[in-house]
Amino acid sequence: EAQVTQNPRYLITVTGKKLTVTCSQNMNHEYMSWYRQDPGLGLRQIYYSMNVEVTDKGDVPEGYKVSRKEKRNFPLILESPSPNQTSLYFCASSLTSGFLYEQYFGPGTRLTVT
Amino acid sequence: DAKTTQPNSMESNEEEPVHLPCNHSTISGTDYIHWYRQLPSQGPEYVIHGLTSNVNNRMASLAIAEDRKSSTLILHRATLRDAAVYYCILRAVSGNTGKLIFGQGTTLQVKP
Repeated sequence: EAQVTQNPRYLITVTGKKLTVTCSQNMNHEYMSWYRQDPGLGLRQIYYSMNVEVTDKGDVPEGYKVSRKEKRNFPLILESPSPNQTSLYFCASSLTSGFLYEQYFGPGTRLTVT
Repeated sequence: DAKTTQPNSMESNEEEPVHLPCNHSTISGTDYIHWYRQLPSQGPEYVIHGLTSNVNNRMASLAIAEDRKSSTLILHRATLRDAAVYYCILRAVSGNTGKLIFGQGTTLQVKP
């Protein structure tokens, strides 16, 4: 089954404790991205990757890092999480970034930073 | 980026058609109109897209105004499972970073 998976689905952590949220897709997609969703602010893009080893900042990249060493994986790294990073995170993938291609989203990771 | 405007919420009865409007008066000639929806506790999912002509797929139909300043997503027979937030998104042909700009969307409530 074609899918985007994220782990963990739920995470409660403390300020400053490094964490990684994994994202994996099994569709051989070149394009992957991360969004965060907050009440009243909607979904905002954090980082995106056009292909392996090619990443770039989205609209809200501060406090986050990403890497794309393999085509299928696109982990989101929070080196020193802060309470303002409490949010619902979604990973997405698409064949390419092109406007004709639909994007597939993962089930989400709900992160709470205390 | 061109902006879209949608009603905050709509209600429908189960098994009746639903017409979800979207205004995009500043759309450029090459912007495609995409619709996504987000079911409760899930990630967004693609619904349909089009440029000028009306489009149909297994999930819905998309009716695009002749001047392209508005469009309507049509669910022919709403089910309880169609209760979701529906987003109308414009995607440019050029300079595309793949970013989807989600507005506030329309929350559709389906009554049994």
